[in-house]
Amino acid sequence: DTEVTQTPKHLVMGMTNKKSLKCEQHMGHRAMYWYKQKAKKPPELMFVYSYEKLSINESVPSRFSPECPNSSLLNLHLHALQPEDSALYLCASSQDDGAGGLAQYFGPGTRLLVL
Amino acid sequence: ELKVEQNPLFLSMQEGKNYTIYCNYSTTSDRLYWYRQNPGKSLESLFVLLSNGAVKQEGRLMASLDTKARLSTLHITAAVHDLSATYFCAVDTGGNTGNQFYFGTGTSLTVIP
Repeated sequence: DTEVTQTPKHLVMGMTNKKSLKCEQHMGHRAMYWYKQKAKKPPELMFVYSYEKLSINESVPSRFSPECPNSSLLNLHLHALQPEDSALYLCASSQDDGAGGLAQYFGPGTRLLVL
Repeated sequence: ELKVEQNPLFLSMQEGKNYTIYCNYSTTSDRLYWYRQNPGKSLESLFVLLSNGAVKQEGRLMASLDTKARLSTLHITAAVHDLSATYFCAVDTGGNTGNQFYFGTGTSLTVIP
């Protein structure tokens, strides 16, 4: 299974709502990532989990809260978002590919609209 | 501040032609990745380049890395319409796990029949 799954595919939420994005992989990868991608822009790294511990937080506002319940799951909890947070949220996972490099596998993304 | 720049940003080419996309980065790194994204879709890994002088080829695409010049190229040979997509390079700045990937600005490629 070489797939990263994300749910939901689409999400519309108000600025006072609380919602969560979910990501799952069963490839045994020990690093998982959240990216934010605005239209016609490159993905921007938000968070990195390594062996279920948060290793990198790219100065993301606290209204985004990541969680890694186990090595296969990654959540992104959303609260009090702003309209400018509307974007495609991508999850990825990676494992050493045996040559010292880390090929990342990306999920299909959750397209988020904040009203 | 780490910068990863690609050029051109937009590329329109005819089928059958050759072209090269350039990726320049501002940090020392031995790891450079190329990804492709079709409209409305996620990212697909194309190449992983791990050392100076690395060259990889898959079909009509060939990628190379010059770590001394901090430059990677993606060469397209005899383009076909199916290659139309946005191509991103990414630089890996971290250790062996939980690395930080920084993406280039992207090159939007349109291949005209």
